[in-house]
Amino acid sequence: GDSVTQMEGPVTLSEEAFLTINCTYTATGYPSLFWYVQYPGEGLQLLLKATKADDKGSNKGFEATYRKETTSFHLEKGSVQVSDSAVYFCALSDSSGSARQLTFGSGTQLTVLP
Amino acid sequence: GAVVSQHPSWVICKSGTSVKIECRSLDFQATTMFWYRQFPKQSLMLMATSNEGSKATYEQGVEKDKFLINHASLTLSTLTVTSAHPEDSSFYICSARVGPNSPLHFGNGTRLTVT
Repeated sequence: GDSVTQMEGPVTLSEEAFLTINCTYTATGYPSLFWYVQYPGEGLQLLLKATKADDKGSNKGFEATYRKETTSFHLEKGSVQVSDSAVYFCALSDSSGSARQLTFGSGTQLTVLP
Repeated sequence: GAVVSQHPSWVICKSGTSVKIECRSLDFQATTMFWYRQFPKQSLMLMATSNEGSKATYEQGVEKDKFLINHASLTLSTLTVTSAHPEDSSFYICSARVGPNSPLHFGNGTRLTVT
């Protein structure tokens, strides 16, 4: 079945540092890929997505490129802020077109220190 | 934006009792709602898919008689954990969407502790 593997956390960075959170996936067909963010005490929010190979999703300074050849969707940000502290989830949805659910990675806790 | 309200945000109950968790879409009609369970340091695991007006579809390994799901209206789905036991302690999250191609909107989750 489909699966998502995310780098384990927690990740602690200083403000303005470069961020990379690795995500690789296993899926049949051509899944869509997502990054969700969960701020403390809140629900998951969609951060960015990519629906086909070589697409780049971007939002709030975060970027991730759909790499089919390496089955990866790594999340990057050039300069993190304290407000980026949250849990980040990589996820995929299958390409069947049914109302199938998202498959999530285990989440990566990011803490940014001032 | 679309808001999904989940209630309660946390609950403590005694072993053997039942607990109901509500998931409401506040400003949109959700034809489909999903219920997830998250163990510490693990990913969200889908428990069931709930379509308004029909029986929920449970994922393999999820006991439908233990985790009762009702989706009686387009804005409300409930998850009832029946005869709860300590191993049911977990974080439960719901999500909702208008249709198959619509984005998912998540609730804030419910922390259940069974003593």
